[in-house]
Amino acid sequence: GESVGLHLPTLSVQEGDNSIINCAYSNSASDYFIWYKQESGKGPQFIIDIRSNMDKRQGQRVTVLLNKTVKHLSLQIAATQPGDSAVYFCAEIVNFGNEKLTFGTGTRLTIIP
Amino acid sequence: DAGVIQSPRHEVTEMGQEVTLRCKPISGHNSLFWYRQTMMRGLELLIYFNNNVPIDDSGMPEDRFSAKMPNASFSTLKIQPSEPRDSAVYFCASSDRGGSEKLFFGSGTQLSVL
Repeated sequence: GESVGLHLPTLSVQEGDNSIINCAYSNSASDYFIWYKQESGKGPQFIIDIRSNMDKRQGQRVTVLLNKTVKHLSLQIAATQPGDSAVYFCAEIVNFGNEKLTFGTGTRLTIIP
Repeated sequence: DAGVIQSPRHEVTEMGQEVTLRCKPISGHNSLFWYRQTMMRGLELLIYFNNNVPIDDSGMPEDRFSAKMPNASFSTLKIQPSEPRDSAVYFCASSDRGGSEKLFFGSGTQLSVL
């Protein structure tokens, strides 16, 4: 069936370096994507979103890239800090306004001091 | 705003017992979602409400699960009778739009059914 998946379940990055978290989605009809961050013992926290009519969107230290040709989404975190250590999820919506988010399996990012 | 508030934070119960999880969404938000998170299945949408009305409950695993939203500031998720396989973290989330973009999640309820 349709699903959202991640290439790498774990990622370790040296503090100060940039990190890239990848996500593959299989539903070509998906038109809205969100990245969430989940710290231990907490609920997921919204980071950044992007609609399918865009291929790049930037936030504070984060950039999301969308490649619809290969159905690939990535989250770039610049100048990583210890507080960036968390599990990162991509999520998708088929038909914006549909209200049903499908979450990927998550990637655990560990920042090495 | 205090964010989405869930209670209890932790619940340990015995198989067969009734469990009620509670959620207070962010004031002014008109959509409320219940998710379940496990290692095996990740984050699964159980049910969501829009303006206190259940819109989609297709994710509710069995008739043992039920959810209500009697008013805009309160929702419950009930499991009766509970089973060990119901053990998970249950999250409530709310949004201020008709769609589910920018969900704000609570801290979750860690449920353990023995």
